[in-house]
Order: sequence, then structure tokens, then C-alpha cells
Amino acid sequence: AQTVTQSQPEMSVQEAETVTLSCTYDTSESDYYLFWYKQPPSRQMILVIRQEAYKQQNATENRFSVNFQKAAKSFSLKISDSQLGDAAMYFCAYQPNAGKSTFGDGTTLTVKP
Amino acid sequence: GAGVSQSPSNKVTEKGKDVELRCDPISGHTALYWYRQSLGQGLEFLIYFQGNSAPDKSGLPSDRFSAERTGGSVSTLTIQRTQQEDSAVYLCASSLRSGGYNEQFFGPGTRLTVL
Repeated sequence: AQTVTQSQPEMSVQEAETVTLSCTYDTSESDYYLFWYKQPPSRQMILVIRQEAYKQQNATENRFSVNFQKAAKSFSLKISDSQLGDAAMYFCAYQPNAGKSTFGDGTTLTVKP
Repeated sequence: GAGVSQSPSNKVTEKGKDVELRCDPISGHTALYWYRQSLGQGLEFLIYFQGNSAPDKSGLPSDRFSAERTGGSVSTLTIQRTQQEDSAVYLCASSLRSGGYNEQFFGPGTRLTVL
């Protein structure tokens, strides 16, 4: 079974600074997809960014980028120029070609003004 | 362009009562998932439906939990003889299909409190 590990239960960052959230996973598959979701306080979970395992190029969405290391099975999320609205719980998720996803336990990010 | 909706948003019940939680997925989405989230914790997978295939019930914690999806659309999660440990937020999500590049769209959740 696939497992996803987020080793940082809590992280904090100063506004306008950069923070990196870590995620590692375990799978025997070669083709799969990885996601970062954001769950703001009392609000719905939304997609932040996703990555196809067959693509070597790291995905980027504005201030959000990933560092995907397939051999190391690592998928970290970098948030640049952190804003107060980035405060949330972030979940890393592994998704196979077909079937259900596996989520990590989440990292709570605090942004300090 | 409605998103995933869930009802009720809050449910308070007494121990031993049955409850039904409803999820309306995005139209056209063939995959539907139920998760449970305790306060400040991660997501616990409960069950998922993909089209007309048999649902994956591997995450249901006990036989008090069941779910159905009628007509490939609306889903109901039923908890029988509720216990205090069932108190949590129950999240529903849908996607175009399960797996692959398809992101999950989450509903706002139903907060269940068992007294």
C-alpha cells in the first residue's frame, strides 16, 4: 500500500519570506500523480498544485512551486513571498493512475505578520 | 457552476441515534469520496465510488457505517447507533474520474457532534 509522510506537523514563516513543506511517499509504481491541497481555517480544501511523475520539470503555479525528486520519492512544496492568506493546513496526496488517493497527515502553516 | 455541496452543515445527535449525511457532487463527476477529519487532524479515507463499479469500502471503520450513491450522483453516508468517537467533520469530494491527473473537489463538510 502507498504511504505519504509529512514530517512537519507545524511550520511557521514570516510574511514575504519563503517556506518549504516536505512530503515523502512510498510506491512501487512508476506512473502516478502528486498533489498539494490547501485547507484554510473553516474553509474548503482546494488544489494548490499537481505534478505528473513522468514529467521531470517541476510544476509551478505563481508563488507555489514543487521540488519533485522521483528517485528519492520526495515532493516538497515551496511557497515564495508568503502572504497572510497562505495560512492553512497543507496536505500532500499521492494518486495512482486509477483508484483512490492517499493523503498525508497535513502540515499546519502559520504566517507571521 | 455549483461546487460540491453537503448537508447538513452541522448535525448534533445523541449517542445511539442514526444519522444521514448527504453529498451532492459536481455534475458529470463519476468519482465520489467520503473522508473523516477529526479536529486539526488529517483525512481518514472512508469509501469511494467510481461510476457503476462496486464501491471501495476499505476505509469504513465499522459495520455501523454505510454509504450509497444513487443514480451515479447524490451520495448518502449513514452512521447507525452513533458513538461519541464518531464526532468529526465528514468531507465529501468528487472528481471527473478516480485517479490520474484528476483533482478532487471538496465540499464544505458536515460537522457531526455526538453527545
